[in-house]
Amino acid sequence: AAGVIQSPRHLIKEKRETATLKCYPIPRHDTVYWYQQGPGQDPQFLISFYEKMQSDKGSIPDRFSAQQFSDYHSELNMSSLELGDSALYFCASSLQREESYEQYFGPGTRLTVT
Amino acid sequence: AQSVTQLGSHVSVSEGALVLLRCNYSSSVPPYLFWYVQYPNQGLQLLLKYTSAATLVKGINGFEAEFKKSETSFHLTKPSAHMSDAAEYFCAVSDGEGNKLVFGAGTILRVKS
Repeated sequence: AAGVIQSPRHLIKEKRETATLKCYPIPRHDTVYWYQQGPGQDPQFLISFYEKMQSDKGSIPDRFSAQQFSDYHSELNMSSLELGDSALYFCASSLQREESYEQYFGPGTRLTVT
Repeated sequence: AQSVTQLGSHVSVSEGALVLLRCNYSSSVPPYLFWYVQYPNQGLQLLLKYTSAATLVKGINGFEAEFKKSETSFHLTKPSAHMSDAAEYFCAVSDGEGNKLVFGAGTILRVKS
C-alpha cells in the first residue's frame, strides 16, 4: 500500500539559510499534518491543512510557512534557520471524510542546522 | 487543552514477560486515544486507537490497550514481550477527526534476552 512520502530524507543547512521540506500524502487523503520532533523529544504539532486550506496551527515559528497544493502535496518552508531547528520533521496524512481518525506518518526529514 | 502523561521514560522487561506501558490523559472533551511505535530513525507507526467504541482495543503485533474513563488511563499491554518489540512508544490524544495529535513524552522499551 502507498505510504506518505517525504523528501528529502536528510538535509544539512547552515544557520540563516532556507530549507524546503516536501510531503506527498497517501492518495485520496484530504488532510496533511506537520510535526517537529527534537532530539529525545516527543513530536510537536506545527500546522495542518484540510482540502488545501490551513485547518489548525500549533507552535510554528513565524520563520516557517507551509502550504498545500492542488495535487494535495504539502511543503514546509523554513527561513533564517537556527541551530534549534535541527530536528526530525514528520508529515502525516489522514482521510477525514471517512472518519477513521488515523494519521499515517511518513519516514520524516532529518534536518541538521550547522 | 489536552495532555498526555506517560509514566516511566524507560521500561525494561525480559523476553516472554508481560509488557505494560502506562498512559494517562487529560481532556475536556471525549478523547480519541492512540498508541504509536517508533523504531530508531524511523517514522511513527500506529499500533492501535480508541475512538469511543469498545473500551478494550486490540492492535497490531499482539498489543492491546484498555480505555478507563474513571482512571483517565489508556495503558498498553502485551502478554509476552519479543525482542523485536524494543522501540519507543508514544501515547497520543486528539479531540476529534482531523485534529492534531498531542503526544506524551514517550517510553523506551528494552527487551532483555
